[in-house]
Amino acid sequence: DQQVKQNSPSLSVQEGRISILNCDYTNSMFDYFLWYKKYPAEGPTFLISISSIKDKNEDGRFTVFLNKSAKHLSLHIVPSQPGDSAVYFCAGLGAGSYQLTFGKGTKLSVIP
Amino acid sequence: GAVVSQHPSWVICKSGTSVKIECRSLDFQATTMFWYRQFPKQSLMLMATSNEGSKATYEQGVEKDKFLINHASLTLSTLTVTSAHPEDSSFYICSATSGGTNTQYFGPGTRLTVL
Repeated sequence: DQQVKQNSPSLSVQEGRISILNCDYTNSMFDYFLWYKKYPAEGPTFLISISSIKDKNEDGRFTVFLNKSAKHLSLHIVPSQPGDSAVYFCAGLGAGSYQLTFGKGTKLSVIP
Repeated sequence: GAVVSQHPSWVICKSGTSVKIECRSLDFQATTMFWYRQFPKQSLMLMATSNEGSKATYEQGVEKDKFLINHASLTLSTLTVTSAHPEDSSFYICSATSGGTNTQYFGPGTRLTVL
């Protein structure tokens, strides 16, 4: 059973436009969510996180939105840059736990 | 801050040999470290969780006698793949977290190829 789902395996966006990466979860015990960016043959790099008590967190070009009732979160990147091209993983964290549950990732390609 | 290193970055070994991978937190004390494995085009799969000075907790389906984890200090954890076989070839990634934070910081990964 996939507790964290990223239903779009890939996404292409023009440089300068907004990239929206989506993530759905089924585990109601998750109370913290993280987004990671990953290049091939490298470890994931932490991007941004959000607590379940919030519905939005912003850091520079990255904004994460959380809709708890829909069990849905999204990562917005604006404006998108070619260097943003990578695989983005969404992960959930249960209360009192350190164990991340990852989605399968979405490959973002930003076209110059 | 929050830098995690892994060594080696890639290793090729013969079937039947053992390989040790090191994971170090460079600028913080990692109370908990995690070992993940990633197959091509798949997500990161958690293998085990280790707390400093304690035995590692392995995920279901992960053989603890094959994947030996030692977390001897607050800055170092090692994963030893014993009697490696070609199906163990994968990308192994560690992460670390310190007490009081929800964020895990990942190492750069180790590419293991077993011939």
